[in-house]
Amino acid sequence: NAGVTQTPKFQVLKTGQSMTLQCAQDMNHNSMYWYRQDPGMGLRLIYYSASEGTTDKGEVPNGYNVSRLNKREFSLRLESAAPSQTSVYFCASRTELFQETQYFGPGTRLLVL
Amino acid sequence: DAKTTQPPSMDCAEGRAANLPCNHSTISGNEYVYWYRQIHSQGPQYIIHGLKNNETNEMASLIITEDRKSSTLILPHATLRDTAVYYCIVRVGLGANNLFFGTGTRLTVIP
Repeated sequence: NAGVTQTPKFQVLKTGQSMTLQCAQDMNHNSMYWYRQDPGMGLRLIYYSASEGTTDKGEVPNGYNVSRLNKREFSLRLESAAPSQTSVYFCASRTELFQETQYFGPGTRLLVL
Repeated sequence: DAKTTQPPSMDCAEGRAANLPCNHSTISGNEYVYWYRQIHSQGPQYIIHGLKNNETNEMASLIITEDRKSSTLILPHATLRDTAVYYCIVRVGLGANNLFFGTGTRLTVIP
């Protein structure tokens, strides 16, 4: 049981390049989330998916798109990366068994030059 | 979701109890108090949650005041591995939306 996995662990992009961050969970959770965390700040929600086939915007969705490919996978895409998107990105999934317990992945560190 | 207020930083001696306070004076009757922590460079980790009663698990205890306007997370015997940022979050239980993480309390356990 790997929990929540994210790839890649670290990525450097040039301004204007695109990339997709991958997230997968093997806990059969319905809800999945993408957060970003900037230095000295708490986590901010980018997008979330309450169930397979549905996605909704969070607090800071601009510049991102998401895909809930199936129950296990939830990807985050940057179509045209900007330096302001330099951040650490965390994926999480939520169990319905214990209220709002969320399980987080190890994070993807993204640097946009 | 109700707003929470936490001190930005605290120190605790190794082996002593760490008591982390959180104010949530605008909490409503159906909102739970959740605590997460984030050890440097890792994803946040769930610790404990509660509604009215005090709660205890293998990681910590949660004390909620009778008026529910504040709570305290207690780590009974802090170790160096407990050095982390601790987040207090208040929200309605069960729902599709996210948890709002603030800036939390940076706890440093001192040898």
